[in-house]
Amino acid sequence: AQSVAQPEDQVNVAEGNPLTVKCTYSVSGNPYLFWYVQYPNRGLQFLLKYITGDNLVKGSYGFEAEFNKSQTSFHLKKPSALVSDSALYFCAVRDMTTGGFKTIFGAGTRLFVKA
Amino acid sequence: NAGVTQTPKFQVLKTGQSMTLQCAQDMNHNSMYWYRQDPGMGLRLIYYSASEGTTDKGEVPNGYNVSRLNKREFSLRLESAAPSQTSVYFCASRENSAGLYEQYFGPGTRLTVT
Repeated sequence: AQSVAQPEDQVNVAEGNPLTVKCTYSVSGNPYLFWYVQYPNRGLQFLLKYITGDNLVKGSYGFEAEFNKSQTSFHLKKPSALVSDSALYFCAVRDMTTGGFKTIFGAGTRLFVKA
Repeated sequence: NAGVTQTPKFQVLKTGQSMTLQCAQDMNHNSMYWYRQDPGMGLRLIYYSASEGTTDKGEVPNGYNVSRLNKREFSLRLESAAPSQTSVYFCASRENSAGLYEQYFGPGTRLTVT
């Protein structure tokens, strides 16, 4: 079965420090991976994706993610966290078992950035 | 370019009442989706429409019906609301062209069933 896991419910980091939000996946074939962010009382916003090519993917708001095939991971990173980065982050993978129309979302990781 | 819009933003229903949540997108996307988000449960797919004229069940379809009215609009209907349907509902859309698989979400509808 295809799945995505976010092992941390919450990540705390001080402003200015680097942040990492972890994600691992299980899919058959080549994965299509995504990160989304949800601010309070808003819908999810697309941050970045990995389809193919370079393992380091750059996205919005200074975020990047590193695809690691051997570890089946797709961790979200940012060199210097901002208080405004505090939000709920979802990792997701395209579900190829149903023609690729559906997306499997992780449970989400809440990021707190302290000033 | 409004993206994905949803109406209403908030709704309170009594058990047994019916209502329709409306969703529209102006990005000419082929696929549209309805999710519900509950605390501790993440995002769960209710129904989706891969393309105009088709609809399919997701993970939690019981108690809901959908209509893909045209390419732009995808509505979600609760025929007889139950307290278990208290949730935040999100509509999303997506292109199906190669490499363009990210979804775009509406702002959500917060529904309370008493």
